[in-house]
Amino acid sequence: QLHLQESGPGRVRLSETLSLTCTVSGGSVDTLSHYWAWIRQPPGKGLQWIGSVFYNGKAYINPSLESRVTISIDTSKNQFSLRLTFVTAADTATYYCANQWDDMDRDGDGDLEFWGQGALVTVSS
Amino acid sequence: VLTQSPGTLSLSPGDTATLSCRASHSVDRKYLVWYQQKPGRAPRLLIYATFNRATGIPDRFSGSGSETDFFLTITGVESQDSAVYYCQHYDNSPGLTFGGGTKVEMK
Repeated sequence: QLHLQESGPGRVRLSETLSLTCTVSGGSVDTLSHYWAWIRQPPGKGLQWIGSVFYNGKAYINPSLESRVTISIDTSKNQFSLRLTFVTAADTATYYCANQWDDMDRDGDGDLEFWGQGALVTVSS
Repeated sequence: VLTQSPGTLSLSPGDTATLSCRASHSVDRKYLVWYQQKPGRAPRLLIYATFNRATGIPDRFSGSGSETDFFLTITGVESQDSAVYYCQHYDNSPGLTFGGGTKVEMK
């Protein structure tokens, strides 16, 4: 069973860069079966997918965030990371990492089975 | 775009809950997913590929649907089922999309 844990600053200043890392245990990020995803949830609101990265570094990003988001992966550390630049108050949210199924031998893809506990990031002036 | 209804469902224990997720265009049932989220917790995968229960999910949760209309049914609702339920779709472009959620509360 996979375990994911987000880490990073809980507060980021307006217009600066938010950086979070997700450490995976119980399995390897170096796999063909999963993408590795970031999702966020502003306080009291719904879920928004930010982007996902494959073991080889190929990433795809929510078009609404594409200009500000970089997602990378470090297979040697079994981690993947999120960078969000030029943050505003609207980026205040709980940020989750999760595994995203992508397996041709399985019925269904794109579901997020294991999630981190979430990291609340507040943008402040 | 995924539109969930109703916004809130008020139920008594033992009731049957039917939650709706409508897609703005026809989607492949393989990529339609349901989650449960309780306050202060990460979402929990319930159903993937429209009707497959995730590991450890009780059989009172079931999924159905096709094309643009998908449903999550909770048969014999229990107090612990109070939560917000989200549907989600996966597509190569633009990626993952979530519905706005349905809140299930107990009377």
